[in-house]
Amino acid sequence: EVQLVESGGGLVKPGGSLRVSCAASGFSFIDAHMSWIRQAPGKGLEWVARFKSNNEGGVIDYAASVKGRFTISRDDSKNMLSLQMNSLQTEDTAVYYCHLQMPDSWGQGTQVTVSS
Amino acid sequence: EIVVTQSPATLSVSPGERATLACRTSQSVGSDLAWYQQKPGQAPRLLIYQTSTRATDIPARFSGSGSGTDFTLTISSLQSEDFAVYYCHQYNNWRTFGQGTKVEIK
Repeated sequence: EVQLVESGGGLVKPGGSLRVSCAASGFSFIDAHMSWIRQAPGKGLEWVARFKSNNEGGVIDYAASVKGRFTISRDDSKNMLSLQMNSLQTEDTAVYYCHLQMPDSWGQGTQVTVSS
Repeated sequence: EIVVTQSPATLSVSPGERATLACRTSQSVGSDLAWYQQKPGQAPRLLIYQTSTRATDIPARFSGSGSGTDFTLTISSLQSEDFAVYYCHQYNNWRTFGQGTKVEIK
């Protein structure tokens, strides 16, 4: 069974940094296309970053709203996906979900709140 | 960026009735269109991908159609568990979502 468990969310001041992580199990992580998707309070969904599998060339892409501030990474030896978030803004406040493309699977999400 | 627009924002339907949700993209996405269902406090659940293919364990009352820029999700006979927010999602160029359609009990 696929399991994605996020951690690392919390409260941070504007301009601060935070790292969220996703522990994956139940599938071949090294072959997986993984992403981070966020949802601001009462709002819709936004694809934040993706890390394609090695088979797909390991390509990394970011949404324009986070490019240059966020960095997605993966540790295939630990089955871990991470998102380093720098220069955080109030607009980054959201639940951050870890996502596996196939089979389509989501974690339970971790709350990130940016507020002074 | 491809903009995805859903209509209506809210749809009031009685149990047992048919619901039709619309989705339009700002440029053609071919058939690279999916639908998700989200209930309060839960992560989204994939219903439909490639415009019309039901995901695993999704009931046959859910169906998708369309191509290019105009797409539809139809729920043939609404059950109590179907009242939720539905998101349209294109994955042809990057990945973007619509703003959602809330299906509520009439």
